[in-house]
Amino acid sequence: SQQGEEDPQALSIQEGENATMNCSYKTSINNLQWYRQNSGRGLVHLILIRSNEREKHSGRLRVTLDTSKKSSSLLITASRAADTASYFCATRHNAGNMLTFGGGTRLMVKP
Amino acid sequence: NAGVMQNPRHLVRRRGQEARLRCSPMKGHSHVYWYRQLPEEGLKFMVYLQKENIIDESGMPKERFSAEFPKEGPSILRIQQVVRGDSAAYFCASSPDSSNQPQHFGDGTRLSIL
Repeated sequence: SQQGEEDPQALSIQEGENATMNCSYKTSINNLQWYRQNSGRGLVHLILIRSNEREKHSGRLRVTLDTSKKSSSLLITASRAADTASYFCATRHNAGNMLTFGGGTRLMVKP
Repeated sequence: NAGVMQNPRHLVRRRGQEARLRCSPMKGHSHVYWYRQLPEEGLKFMVYLQKENIIDESGMPKERFSAEFPKEGPSILRIQQVVRGDSAAYFCASSPDSSNQPQHFGDGTRLSIL
């Protein structure tokens, strides 16, 4: 299976704290993407990082990619209650166009 | 710019009936993907289509499931003779081409089988 895995599965923090989520995968990739999903809604694209990139920033989000360890992390700084959602990493592999998703991290930010 | 539009948002069917799920990609996007999500799980790839062509259907069950993306109109995911195990959220995504571009998702169709 090429299924990625996120950890932790669930994370609860206070508003203002940082949240770090990790993702591991098994085969070589073309790119890795992070998505957010609010309950009952579709996925919202956050960041795409290519296999030749090591770090990327977007606002309060910071993504790292370590292809030697086949892992990525998503850091959300200065979290807000509105960041409460499930976060998924998805990998696009060289062999196809589809995305392979992990099981997600359920983040709860308490006000 | 309208995003990816899926309808219906909720669909209830009895066992043995047919379910038709529709997806209109974002304007300018010619690549469509269908995924299925079970509760508390990540999305699982089903099928990848371009206009009038199925490119990859490796994630779609061989029986009862079919997909199309005609020259005109939305992409359709069709499930015949539905069973309880088909209950899930079905998401459609689109992208402009096959290069390193993110996929944009619709809000999904939640299918419930009675």
